[in-house]
Amino acid sequence: ETGVTQSPTHLIKTRGQQVTLRCSSQSGHNTVSWYQQALGQGPQFIFQYYREEENGRGNFPPRFSGLQFPNYSSELNVNALELDDSALYLCASSRPGDSNTEAFFGQGTRLTVV
Amino acid sequence: QQQVKQSPQSLIVQKGGISIINCAYENTAFDYFPWYQQFPGKGPALLIAIRPDVSEKKEGRFTISFNKSAKQFSLHIMDSQPGDSATYFCAARKAAGNKLTFGGGTRVLVKP
Repeated sequence: ETGVTQSPTHLIKTRGQQVTLRCSSQSGHNTVSWYQQALGQGPQFIFQYYREEENGRGNFPPRFSGLQFPNYSSELNVNALELDDSALYLCASSRPGDSNTEAFFGQGTRLTVV
Repeated sequence: QQQVKQSPQSLIVQKGGISIINCAYENTAFDYFPWYQQFPGKGPALLIAIRPDVSEKKEGRFTISFNKSAKQFSLHIMDSQPGDSATYFCAARKAAGNKLTFGGGTRVLVKP
């Protein structure tokens, strides 16, 4: 088990609603990345936060937004939910610049949009 | 644009056999190539990783072979066990801390 925890584990929302997903990074890790994993596919990079600033973004619309807090935990917010947003949302923490540069993933939040 | 292509999509192997998964990448700026194992309902877990300055890395029953000129790398699972049944993802990254670009995944089933 990694030290990355995500909440909630499962969530059902209605199209058009807004959702907030949360991630606590592994101790000592100052970078958090979010990924979307549709069923049967590989994870797709949404964005990354480093020192509370967005530090890179994938091909996702602005209704996907995020925050990172001083304790390095992070939130992913999705507005105006669409059916295609149904996926497993993964958070990964890492510590760039360290010789040990692996990213450790949480167990994910399964979001279902109906 | 799919920058990392993975094959096969699924694989069935007998217990004790060898599982081989292949990946090809396009971006020569990638400098770190990890493999992740994912069980249903869980997040991906790092299995083994390689940098392009070596051609092979072995950890237990898992070996990565890397061909820089061909821009290809592969995962070999020796003596496959039923507990290895999972989905495996190759990935690539350009610099420390940068985003991971994943392949599409390979579902491996090891039959007893």
